[in-house]
Amino acid sequence: QVQLVQSGAEVKPPGASVKVSCKASGDIDNNYDISWVRQAPGQGLEWMGWISTNNGNTKYAQKFQGRITITTDTSTTTAYMELRSLRSDDTAVYYCARVSGFWSGRYYYFMDVWGKGTTVTVSS
Amino acid sequence: EIVLTQSPGTLALSPGERATLSCRASQTVSTSYLAWYQQKPGQAPRLLMYGAFARATGIPDRFSGSGSRTDFTLTISGLEPEDFAMYYCHQFGGAFGQGTRVEIK
Repeated sequence: QVQLVQSGAEVKPPGASVKVSCKASGDIDNNYDISWVRQAPGQGLEWMGWISTNNGNTKYAQKFQGRITITTDTSTTTAYMELRSLRSDDTAVYYCARVSGFWSGRYYYFMDVWGKGTTVTVSS
Repeated sequence: EIVLTQSPGTLALSPGERATLSCRASQTVSTSYLAWYQQKPGQAPRLLMYGAFARATGIPDRFSGSGSRTDFTLTISGLEPEDFAMYYCHQFGGAFGQGTRVEIK
């Protein structure tokens, strides 16, 4: 069974950067993909981006292009999400999720294991 | 970017009733990328359905998914107390729908 353990809550001033970690443990192989999803207080889910640990390829939601970097350290099975130039509306719970995918006539992708979330508060 | 619109925003039903949740896309979505998630207050989302039709591991068979191209549906055939929650559709690599709240009538 795979578990994703995220780093603790952060409080940052506007304009700063935050880096949230997500450590995978359990029954994982060397190839796993991680997505990041956030949820502002009282709001819905927002997909932010995705990294393939197999080749390091990333895809980011257009909204976050230029402000987000997702990386992985395969030696520690840890993924990171860095968000820069923080604003008050970046205050949210940030989730990492394992992306599972397989081929069965076409590619299937979905997020099947989730971390518990990291609260990031942007406040002066 | 493809926009997913869920309806209704809130569904008020009694336990045992059937819930039908809609997810409409602004453009054709690959069914293999379409998933549904359940979220309860203070918890992370949980995968319910993937590939539009397939139940995730451990999901009871009262949950079913259907649809294609731009119209997808999540059906809960007989609501159990633990099913009252928020539900989101999602096209992998894109945006989530805004969610449907299923609440007790």
